Amino acid sequence: DAGVIQSPRHEVTEMGQEVTLRCKPISGHNSLFWYRQTMMRGLELLIYFNNNVPIDDSGMPEDRFSAKMPNASFSTLKIQPSEPRDSAVYFCASNGGTDTQYFGPGTRLTVL
Amino acid sequence: QKEVEQNSGPLSVPEGAIASLNCTYSDRGSQSFFWYRQYSGKSPELIMFIYSNGDKEDGRFTAQLNKASQYVSLLIRDSQPSDSATYLCASGGSGSARQLTFGSGTQLTVLP
Repeated sequence: DAGVIQSPRHEVTEMGQEVTLRCKPISGHNSLFWYRQTMMRGLELLIYFNNNVPIDDSGMPEDRFSAKMPNASFSTLKIQPSEPRDSAVYFCASNGGTDTQYFGPGTRLTVL
Repeated sequence: QKEVEQNSGPLSVPEGAIASLNCTYSDRGSQSFFWYRQYSGKSPELIMFIYSNGDKEDGRFTAQLNKASQYVSLLIRDSQPSDSATYLCASGGSGSARQLTFGSGTQLTVLP
């Protein structure tokens, strides 16, 4: 299996621009998680989906962040407008049938 | 609020020694516990999971769980420089929730 796939791996953008991060979970996994990691705050859960339905979005920092999962093999995390404080590594993870989560390689976002 | 606490370190051990990493959790309903390893610039990688009280061994790694004390540990025997990384403890399986609660991580350095 290819594992969790994320794109892009690196994103550099200017403040105010829209950013879209993409994730393809492991085939057959029915839960998908979006995390943000910074030195200051560690690994934070932003939102998670079960069977394509958002279950808990309490970690989404503000209305500028939104996430969708239109089908079992694709999810997006969008930031509009982006701000410098959004600079972080964003991870997507998936699991299926157990609590064990498998992480993608991450997207390193830099907002100038 | 569910919390997982880890000593942030850094923890340094000489090559060949035993590294001991500790973690406590606040949610008594947690049923599953995980140790992830994260190399600098990489994504978290699952090392071990444990569900039952006692010890679980996998090669040079031993996870220990004490639910009464709400304590989880990871022992790394015959530590190698390649073990140098940040180790994340996580708890999960509380009720119907699928998400994991992560600690802030312990940075381990194995000195040659």
